Amino acid sequence: GQQLNQSPQSMFIQEGEDVSMNCTSSSIFNTWLWYKQDPGEGPVLLIALYKAGELTSNGRLTAQFGITRKDSFLNISASIPSDVGIYFCAGLGETSGSRLTFGEGTQLTVNP
Amino acid sequence: SQTIHQWPATLVQPVGSPLSLECTVEGTSNPNLYWYRQAAGRGLQLLFYSVGIGQISSEVPQNLSASRPQDRQFILSSKKLLLSDSGFYLCAWSVWTGGHEKLFFGSGTQLSVL
Repeated sequence: GQQLNQSPQSMFIQEGEDVSMNCTSSSIFNTWLWYKQDPGEGPVLLIALYKAGELTSNGRLTAQFGITRKDSFLNISASIPSDVGIYFCAGLGETSGSRLTFGEGTQLTVNP
Repeated sequence: SQTIHQWPATLVQPVGSPLSLECTVEGTSNPNLYWYRQAAGRGLQLLFYSVGIGQISSEVPQNLSASRPQDRQFILSSKKLLLSDSGFYLCAWSVWTGGHEKLFFGSGTQLSVL
């Protein structure tokens, strides 16, 4: 089956720093979605990407759909304490039907 | 607008007891519905998905079952819980717009089997 490798697994940064995380897949994806999960809550959709090369922003967040269609990255600029949480990438491939494949998540800690 | 309701938020059950978690979606018709499980601090494992009433696909062999008695209702059940069934259960629904899919999650149920 399709696999997603999300890195880094965890990050510890100072408030105000920029953050970058990425996901790579073993096969071509048609859709990349990025989610944030707060403790005890369901993941919330941040950004959706549907075309190779697409670059989309949501406030201080920017995500890109890789040209090869096998990767995506998420950047957070000028981090703040409320950015703390687990960030997940998810992808939908050509052979996965309606079943998204999720990365293992990046745990982000922001020190004030 | 569409909303998803999942309950209860937390549940503590003894081993061997039955389970029923319910999820309903409002504001959309014929959604794809999903049940995921998440171990503490880990990724999301797809358990079941449904593309319509009475249509259930299971992704992994397990002690759980799912049912979709109505278009916007999805139920996760077990006849006898195991310790390994503990985890954070998430219901989700997806919508296709312009040929693209987005997945939205409920707020989750933290299940502890003791």
